[in-house]
Amino acid sequence: SQELEQSPQSLIVQEGKNLTINCTSSKTLYGLYWYKQKYGEGLIFLMMLQKGGEEKSHEKITAKLDEKKQQSSLHITASQPSHAGIYLCGADNVGGNTGKLIFGQGTTLQVKP
Amino acid sequence: NAGVTQTPKFRILKIGQSMTLQCTQDMNHNYMYWYRQDPGMGLKLIYYSVGAGITDKGEVPNGYNVSRSTTEDFPLRLELAAPSQTSVYFCASSYRTVFQETQYFGPGTRLLVL
Repeated sequence: SQELEQSPQSLIVQEGKNLTINCTSSKTLYGLYWYKQKYGEGLIFLMMLQKGGEEKSHEKITAKLDEKKQQSSLHITASQPSHAGIYLCGADNVGGNTGKLIFGQGTTLQVKP
Repeated sequence: NAGVTQTPKFRILKIGQSMTLQCTQDMNHNYMYWYRQDPGMGLKLIYYSVGAGITDKGEVPNGYNVSRSTTEDFPLRLELAAPSQTSVYFCASSYRTVFQETQYFGPGTRLLVL
């Protein structure tokens, strides 16, 4: 079965610094989702990538999917305390648009003011 | 719109007790999901539903039951609570286009089984 591995597991950065979170799949990704979770809250959808080489940005967050569609990265530019939380990548478990997502274990981000 | 709401927010159960976790969405989404999140383990799919009257098992369905009598509600039932079911439970709903699906999550229910 498909597995998603995130790295690093946790990250502490100084406010204003850039950072990157990676998500690696054991199989080809047909849809890769990035979510953000704050402690005690549900997940908030950030972005979804489908095509090899695709890149999307929202405010200071950029997500990319590599050409082979087995790795995605989430890059935050000039981090702020509001970026703190747990970032999870998710992918369709079956390889199609079934909605049956599997998730990576999450990356916990702390941003020091 | 309230989005996806879950009740209760927190519950302590004794081993062997039963309870129902409630989930309601007001976005008229056909698809609904139940996940559990254990520390450092990401989310795992318990059950899902593609519409009223239709449910199917996810990755970790054992010990749980669901029903979907209406589009809005998707309750999750624990019949005989076990310590292994201590977790945070998230309900989600989604809409789909040809190209993508976006899942909207509730705030979660924290369950402790002692």
